[in-house]
Formats: sequence, structure tokens, C-alpha cells
Amino acid sequence: AQRVTQPEKLLSVFKGAPVELKCNYSYSGSPELFWYVQYSRQRLQLLLRHISRESIKGFTADLNKGETSFHLKKPFAQEEDSAMYYCALANAGGTSYGKLTFGQGTILTVHP
Amino acid sequence: NAGVTQTPKFQVLKTGQSMTLQCAQDMNHNSMYWYRQDPGMGLRLIYYSASEGTTDKGEVPNGYNVSRLNKREFSLRLESAAPSQTSVYFCASRVRAQFGPGYTFGSGTRLTVV
Repeated sequence: AQRVTQPEKLLSVFKGAPVELKCNYSYSGSPELFWYVQYSRQRLQLLLRHISRESIKGFTADLNKGETSFHLKKPFAQEEDSAMYYCALANAGGTSYGKLTFGQGTILTVHP
Repeated sequence: NAGVTQTPKFQVLKTGQSMTLQCAQDMNHNSMYWYRQDPGMGLRLIYYSASEGTTDKGEVPNGYNVSRLNKREFSLRLESAAPSQTSVYFCASRVRAQFGPGYTFGSGTRLTVV
């Protein structure tokens, strides 16, 4: 069964500090991984997907298959980065393809 | 371009009442999904439809039914609401089930069952 773990429920940093949100996964095949962000009571927005290897709002994430991790990083946090962040894994094969499994989420607070 | 539209945005039900949550997308996406969001539990998949004409159970399907009415619309029905179904419900869609662009989410429906 696929599983996504975000070990930190809460993460606080000061503005300008580096930030890393951890995500570990378990999946038997080749994973398709995403980071979503949810600002206060709004819809989830796609932040990153590992296939595109893009950088959005200064965030990057590298898939490490050896450590089964997909940590989200930003070198200099901004106050507007305060939000809930979800790591998610899509089932890419079999009869249940396309199912998106979410981690429990990490609430990031950036203090001025 | 409205993306994914969910109605209603808020709803209060009494235990035992029924209701249908509506979801529509105008992006010609093939796959659609229903999730519930609960504190400390992230988002959990209730049902999904990989393509028009198919539906499958997700992680927490009990107490729910779905209908993929056409390619655009995917509704979620609670036949007999229970307080445990108090949650925020999100509908999502994707152009195809595998390796497409990311999923697009609706703005959510806040449901309270008293």
C-alpha cells in the first residue's frame, strides 16, 4: 500500500531563514510525487511535481529514491509562505492508477 | 475558465438527512476525485472516477455514493448523514489519471452534521 509521511505537523521559522519540509513515502513502483499548498481556508494549489523539476515561489524538491524522500526546501522563507503544505503521491500503475495519497500536512509559520 | 466548481460551499445537516455535493469541471479532464479533509488526517480519498463511466472506492467510501453524470460532473451523495461525516470535502480533477499535469482542486464544501 502506498503511504506518505510528513513527520512535522508544525514548523516555525523566522523570515529569511532556510526552511525544509520533510516528506517520506512508501510505494512499490515508480512514484509520481507532488507538493500542494493550502493558504488559510482556500483550495489546494499545486506547488511542485517531481516530474517537471521546476521551482515555484523559490521552492524546490528533489526526489531521492534511495531514501524514499521528497523534501521541500526554500533557502529564504517569506511571511507569505505561511500555509499548510501537503506532500502527495499518485499511484501510477495497476487498476487503481491516478489515486492521490496525501500526507497529514505540515503547517508552516514564518515569523517576521 | 472556472476550473473546478463545487456547490454548496457550506451546509448544515441533521443526522439522518441526505444531500448531494455537486462538482463540475470545465477543463475537459478525464479523471475526477472526491476527498475529505479532517484535522490531523490530511486529505483522504473517498471515491474517484478515472474516466467517464467508471467509479471506484477510495480509502474511506463508507456512507457515501458517487455518480459520474458525464465527463464534466461528479457528484457525491450522503444517504443518511452522520456526525462523523462533518468535514471539508474537496473535489479534484486531472486531465488523465497518469503522468499528466497536477490535479486541480475545487474550493471545498464545509459540511456540518448535527
